[in-house]
Amino acid sequence: GAVVSQHPSWVICKSGTSVKIECRSLDFQATTMFWYRQFPKQSLMLMATSNEGSKATYEQGVEKDKFLINHASLTLSTLTVTSAHPEDSSFYICSAREWGATYNEQFFGPGTRLTVL
Amino acid sequence: ILNVEQSPQSLHVQEGDSTNFTCSFPSSNFYALHWYRWETAKSPEALFVMTLNGDEKKKGRISATLNTKEGYSYLYIKGSQPEDSATYLCASQPKTSYDKVIFGPGTSLSVIP
Repeated sequence: GAVVSQHPSWVICKSGTSVKIECRSLDFQATTMFWYRQFPKQSLMLMATSNEGSKATYEQGVEKDKFLINHASLTLSTLTVTSAHPEDSSFYICSAREWGATYNEQFFGPGTRLTVL
Repeated sequence: ILNVEQSPQSLHVQEGDSTNFTCSFPSSNFYALHWYRWETAKSPEALFVMTLNGDEKKKGRISATLNTKEGYSYLYIKGSQPEDSATYLCASQPKTSYDKVIFGPGTSLSVIP
């Protein structure tokens, strides 16, 4: 149980294009989903928290117009990197939390490696 | 700003050796401590959630302890096996914003057959 899928697993795009990453909870309803970014040899850094049906809450320093997050259903959240640039190249990973989780237990997807040329 | 530190950054051990690594977190703003195991090309997998000072959790050959007063947790692996090779992440859940977790940089463990 508690499986989270993430697609695509890797993507290469040209500078200026937009890229959409999907995060799905396959066997549970995720009232809250989290998006993280990881640069080489660094920690997973929280970008934003999204609750189903409401606007995402972005962490300080994360541009909400650049990283569009949609959490329209209890099983799907999407992250769109708009007008991607080489500095957006990174590893993006989502996690999902079930309603009623006692200690913010999160189930993670396998991540997406984004390379912007 | 919360800083969660982990040491060592990486570790190479022989099969059968026991090993341990450390996670340190701000003790003044603590709600819970999470440990995850992250194998290459897979999703991070939750190992433990710990909340109480002196907590000790065990899962097979892996165990963890928690000291909330001084702000550290140890993860122990007894009789390491090649399948234990992974990055071990800890994450602190602060009481001032318990809707989030703050991750450390991880300890990369390689178990040599």
